[in-house]
Amino acid sequence: AQSVAQPEDQVNVAEGNPLTVKCTYSVSGNPYLFWYVQYPNRGLQFLLKYITGDNLVKGSYGFEAEFNKSQTSFHLKKPSALVSDSALYFCAVRDTGGTSYGKLTFGQGTILTVHP
Amino acid sequence: DAGVIQSPRHEVTEMGQEVTLRCKPISGHDYLFWYRQTMMRGLELLIYFNNNVPIDDSGMPEDRFSAKMPNASFSTLKIQPSEPRDSAVYFCASSFNAGMNTEAFFGQGTRLTVV
Repeated sequence: AQSVAQPEDQVNVAEGNPLTVKCTYSVSGNPYLFWYVQYPNRGLQFLLKYITGDNLVKGSYGFEAEFNKSQTSFHLKKPSALVSDSALYFCAVRDTGGTSYGKLTFGQGTILTVHP
Repeated sequence: DAGVIQSPRHEVTEMGQEVTLRCKPISGHDYLFWYRQTMMRGLELLIYFNNNVPIDDSGMPEDRFSAKMPNASFSTLKIQPSEPRDSAVYFCASSFNAGMNTEAFFGQGTRLTVV
């Protein structure tokens, strides 16, 4: 069965500094990986995805993510954090084979706080 | 397209009552997901459909929960009878499953409070 782990419940970073939110995954086939952001009292918003191709994926609001097959990781990064980036971030994996084809599973989420 | 539309946005009900949550997916999407979000359990997948057919309902917590998708533009999640521990935010999401266009889009959620 596929799974996603976000090892950090919270990440704190100063404005202007680089940020990283970690994600590791486990899948039986080719990984389809996603990052979403959730602001208070809102639904989840899609940030970026890895399907195939370049290991460095660029997405919305200056975010990017690095796919590492050997480490089964898909960490979210941003070179310079903004206070407005403070939110709840979710990593997700989509099943591409077997009886759970199409299933979309989320990690437990990481609260990112950017301090002024 | 207006995106995924959920109704109601807020629901307060008494324990034992029936609750029905509604979802209209994005037109043309062939996958629909129901999730529940709580502080304790995070974001849980309850059930998902492909072409209106339930594929995996292993996340549905109890027989009190049921979900239907009578057509491609409408789905319901019903709780009968409701209990205080069902209080949560329930999200519906939809997606294509076609190559690169596989990300899911979420509705704004229904905040359910059972008293």
